[in-house]
Amino acid sequence: DVKVTQSSRYLVKRTGEKVFLECVQDMDHENMFWYRQDPGLGLRLIYFSYDVKMKEKGDIPEGYSVSREKKERFSLILESASTNQTSMYLCASSLTGRFDEKLFFGSGTQLSVL
Amino acid sequence: AQKITQTQPGMFVQEKEAVTLDCTYDTSDPSYGLFWYKQPSSGEMIFLIYQGSYDQQNATEGRYSLNFQKARKSANLVISASQLGDSAMYFCAMREGGAAGNKLTFGGGTRVLVKP
Repeated sequence: DVKVTQSSRYLVKRTGEKVFLECVQDMDHENMFWYRQDPGLGLRLIYFSYDVKMKEKGDIPEGYSVSREKKERFSLILESASTNQTSMYLCASSLTGRFDEKLFFGSGTQLSVL
Repeated sequence: AQKITQTQPGMFVQEKEAVTLDCTYDTSDPSYGLFWYKQPSSGEMIFLIYQGSYDQQNATEGRYSLNFQKARKSANLVISASQLGDSAMYFCAMREGGAAGNKLTFGGGTRVLVKP
């Protein structure tokens, strides 16, 4: 089975800190995604990547950047964390970008920015 | 406009009864896939069932079935014989073909609580 691993389950940071959220998948998937989940809003796409060094903005990219230097690893970066970035962050991957392919998700990182 | 709408924020269901979770979607792309995921309190997203826009029959996976009404753009999830372990958040999602084919768009979710 595909394994998507997020480095931290819980993270507490201070306002203004630079925050790195790491995600690794072990199935040679081309596509990787970062979502944030907030109550009542479902999951919203921040960024995605369809190849190494390639990235595309999702629906809410403001305040975030990403890095994909290796195929298996996709990092989400909060350059200067703010309290409104307190949320659950979910990483996902899929083999390709086909519309009939499901996404595999990590367990999530609950980030609190104080 | 919302691409995926789940109108039921929360619902109770009696153990062993069936429950229907509503989902409507909006797309002009003829090629798309509809997905349902379950998220228990532990947080992981568990894939339940998939329906493709070209599929002639409704999808079924064990106790899960998808009531796909293409003309009405609805893709309701039916859980038969509810179990206590079905208590969770349920998300409907859509992945479109064409240029937007990469991303999965989610609804707001429905929280289900199964009562013994």
